Amino acid sequence: KNEVEQSPQNLTAQEGEFITINCSYSVGISALHWLQQHPGGGIVSLFMLSSGKKKHGRLIATINIQEKHSSLHITASHPRDSAVYICAVASNTGNQFYFGTGTSLTVIP
Amino acid sequence: KAGVTQTPRYLIKTRGQQVTLSCSPISGHRSVSWYQQTPGQGLQFLFEYFSETQRNKGNFPGRFSGRQFSNSRSEMNVSTLELGDSALYLCASSLGAYAGGGTDTQYFGPGTRLTVL
Repeated sequence: KNEVEQSPQNLTAQEGEFITINCSYSVGISALHWLQQHPGGGIVSLFMLSSGKKKHGRLIATINIQEKHSSLHITASHPRDSAVYICAVASNTGNQFYFGTGTSLTVIP
Repeated sequence: KAGVTQTPRYLIKTRGQQVTLSCSPISGHRSVSWYQQTPGQGLQFLFEYFSETQRNKGNFPGRFSGRQFSNSRSEMNVSTLELGDSALYLCASSLGAYAGGGTDTQYFGPGTRLTVL
């Protein structure tokens, strides 16, 4: 049983395209995180959300608590956005941390 | 501020041995969480330490243990290594203000890549 499901698993886009990655979860949460992992392993936290919407530059993250769903949008995608994007949730019982399997994004110039 | 550091970066061990990994958090951060990443299982939460106490724990066997020191540095130990323990082990630090590192922004270290032969 996967507490966190991401889609799509793989995504190839042309530079400049608008990209959406989806995350659905089945547990009650205290927060949802979007992480970015580049080849070589380094992970960077992009967003932490418990409600609503956040924006950093070309990245936008939204969450709908009632529907247990979050989306990560990248506007005007660029080759440097190529990475694996991982959705993670902190459960509100026992404070477990669950991860999605990641979305591998490749942006072609 | 210096980022999260992990040592060693690479490690090769044989089955049955034990290993200790180290994580130094960002200055001022009191929460340290450990994660295992494998190609098959992806990222999995091991445990979280805050103020020298294990505050949260994932679903890993007792062979996986950790501790945190008064300066917030943390170590993770794996005893009786198995082939399946080969993985990238990541630690992340956060302020830890709330009851669970998951409610703070996590800052990840570069990881320790463990290979068990």
